[in-house]
Amino acid sequence: GAVVSQHPSRVICKSGTSVKIECRSLDFQATTMFWYRQFPKQSLMLMATSNEGSKATYEQGVEKDKFLINHASLTLSTLTVTSAHPEDSSFYICSARGVRSEAFFGQGTRLTVV
Amino acid sequence: GQQLNQSPQSMFIQEGEDVSMNCTSSSIFNTWLWYKQEPGEGPVLLIALYKAGELTSNGRLTAQFGITRKDSFLNISASIPSDVGIYFCAGSVTSGTYKYIFGTGTRLKVLA
Repeated sequence: GAVVSQHPSRVICKSGTSVKIECRSLDFQATTMFWYRQFPKQSLMLMATSNEGSKATYEQGVEKDKFLINHASLTLSTLTVTSAHPEDSSFYICSARGVRSEAFFGQGTRLTVV
Repeated sequence: GQQLNQSPQSMFIQEGEDVSMNCTSSSIFNTWLWYKQEPGEGPVLLIALYKAGELTSNGRLTAQFGITRKDSFLNISASIPSDVGIYFCAGSVTSGTYKYIFGTGTRLKVLA
């Protein structure tokens, strides 16, 4: 089956610093990648959609200067949380879509900002 | 952000019982997906549905794509303890960015 690898799985950073999260599709080319945020006991909230080589499309209410997304290749997308603050602490999950309409998820990244 | 309505929110059942959950939307979708998520992990795809009326099985799991294209159902037969987790539906339109909208989730607990 399709494998999506997300790294790191956990990160703790100081307030004001930036954190980069990587999402890789290991055995297929991902035409589209999605970034989600999930709070405890809640569903996944779509933050942005990115297509390889083009600018990401952000959902309403998501600050694009705060959450920088780069989809430089068909197998890699990165999410950078800039100038992180404690309220940015959350579980961030990426997913990748190949040729069919199925989306496969990474393992998630638990971000804690102290 | 937009979410789909999923019910029930949570279920406590005895091992061996069957489980049903559903997802409804005000919008039409071309694809319905069902996922299971365990604590601290990303969701794992269980079943994908592509046609209205489609009924698809994956082991003890069966899912259906509603005729109206605004709903979907997931059934788990003869539940076992490892079925514990949160089940999410997701709907997608096959145009534009193909983005997926997620349901609110059904938290399943199975009592041995």
